Amino acid sequence: GAGVSQSPSNKVTEKGKDVELRCDPISGHTALYWYRQSLGQGLEFLIYFQGNSAPDKSGLPSDRFSAERTGGSVSTLTIQRTQQEDSAVYLCASSLSGRAFYNEQFFGPGTRLTVL
Amino acid sequence: AQSVTQPDIHITVSEGASLELRCNYSYGATPYLFWYVQSPGQGLQLLLKYFSGDTLVQGIKGFEAEFKRSQSSFNLRKPSVHWSDAAEYFCAVVPPWGNEKLTFGTGTRLTIIP
Repeated sequence: GAGVSQSPSNKVTEKGKDVELRCDPISGHTALYWYRQSLGQGLEFLIYFQGNSAPDKSGLPSDRFSAERTGGSVSTLTIQRTQQEDSAVYLCASSLSGRAFYNEQFFGPGTRLTVL
Repeated sequence: AQSVTQPDIHITVSEGASLELRCNYSYGATPYLFWYVQSPGQGLQLLLKYFSGDTLVQGIKGFEAEFKRSQSSFNLRKPSVHWSDAAEYFCAVVPPWGNEKLTFGTGTRLTIIP
């Protein structure tokens, strides 16, 4: 079956512009995670959705970052007024349910964001 | 502070040689432990995980890891590496109180030489 897909694979934008990154999780997976991978910060958690529960936004670095998940499936990560330090690879993962210690997270290939 | 550490940024080994990648954690109790691999241009893939029980865990692609409570370590090993093992390897934890997110180490880049 299909894995986690992300689009676009690459995005180049100018400082100050808004960007939207999309994640399509594996069908039937109720948990969805966003992570960011950057040279300076390594791999860091951004946000977590589980079913209809309120998302865990504890990893979002600023209020310029937001995410939504529509219909319990597709998720969009939005970065407003992009800054050069937002340049990174944004990874999405999904799992059957939460309980990260029990359910494997399957990762997408990522979106490489470059802010000029 | 609670953390997961991978002391080696870059390791180079010869094809066919054995491999050990180090991972140490710092938590009040044993967290749940994972090793992921990220091959060039690919997403992260789970190699193995440890929750409890047998301290030697077998994973995919011939990898294994040993949990040592006394050393707060969860080192990844492979008896004989192949050129296709060249990748970046991440140790990750979920805290023992069951927080949902993975916390990753900084990664170890593995280079294989012929």
